[in-house]
Amino acid sequence: TQLLEQSPQFLSIQEGENLTVYCNSSSVFSSLQWYRQEPGEGPVLLVTVVTGGEVKKLKRLTFQFGDARKDSSLHITAAQPGDTGLYLCAGSGSTLGRLYFGRGTQLTVWP
Amino acid sequence: GAGVSQSPSNKVTEKGKDVELRCDPISGHTALYWYRQSLGQGLEFLIYFQGNSAPDKSGLPSDRFSAERTGGSVSTLTIQRTQQEDSAVYLCASSQRTSGSRETQYFGPGTRLLVL
Repeated sequence: TQLLEQSPQFLSIQEGENLTVYCNSSSVFSSLQWYRQEPGEGPVLLVTVVTGGEVKKLKRLTFQFGDARKDSSLHITAAQPGDTGLYLCAGSGSTLGRLYFGRGTQLTVWP
Repeated sequence: GAGVSQSPSNKVTEKGKDVELRCDPISGHTALYWYRQSLGQGLEFLIYFQGNSAPDKSGLPSDRFSAERTGGSVSTLTIQRTQQEDSAVYLCASSQRTSGSRETQYFGPGTRLLVL
C-alpha cells in the first residue's frame, strides 16, 4: 500500500506548456518534500513545505501544501527541456525522520 | 567529495550469492538511511541509523537483509542469498538532524544491483 499517491505517473509535454503534478494521501504529514531525480543519480531536494496552505515558489516551480497537510501539488510554468526528470514527493511523519515516498512522476519536456 | 558516496555503483551477482553495499555519509551527519528503488516504484524505506544504532529497522523486507554502521560513519547493507526480486537501486541518504520534520536528507547516487 502506497501512503502517498502521485499523479500522473508519466507526463510528456512540449516546451512552453504548463503542468501540474499531484501528491495525495489520507494521512497527515508534518512536512512534505519534493525531490527531482535524474538518471543514475540520487534524488535532490527541491523544496520542503511545512505549514498547511503554504505556497513556495522556486523560479518557474510553484509548490503548495494542502490546508489539511495531506496533499501537495507542484506546478511548472513554461516547462523547458531541462525540467525533464523524475519528480518525487515525500512525506515526513512526526518521529524518526524516515520519509514516505510516492512512486514519482516521470516528466519529459520536448524542445 | 562533500556528498554521500556509495560503492559499488553497479553490482551484478548470481542468485544465492551474498552482496555488500557500502555508504559513506556526509561528514558529521548523525542520521543515515537506506532506501530501495525498484523500477516504476518510489523509494522504499529499509532502515534508519542514529549514530551506530538502528532505532527503525521496520523496512527490511526479510531476514536476508541486514545493515550495520560503525564509528557513526560508514554503513554496510548486506543481502544474503540474493534473489532476483532483490534487483533494484539501493540508495543511501544522510542528514544532520534527527528530530523534528525539517531535516534535509542528502542522497548518494545509489548502487544498482542486478541478480541473475
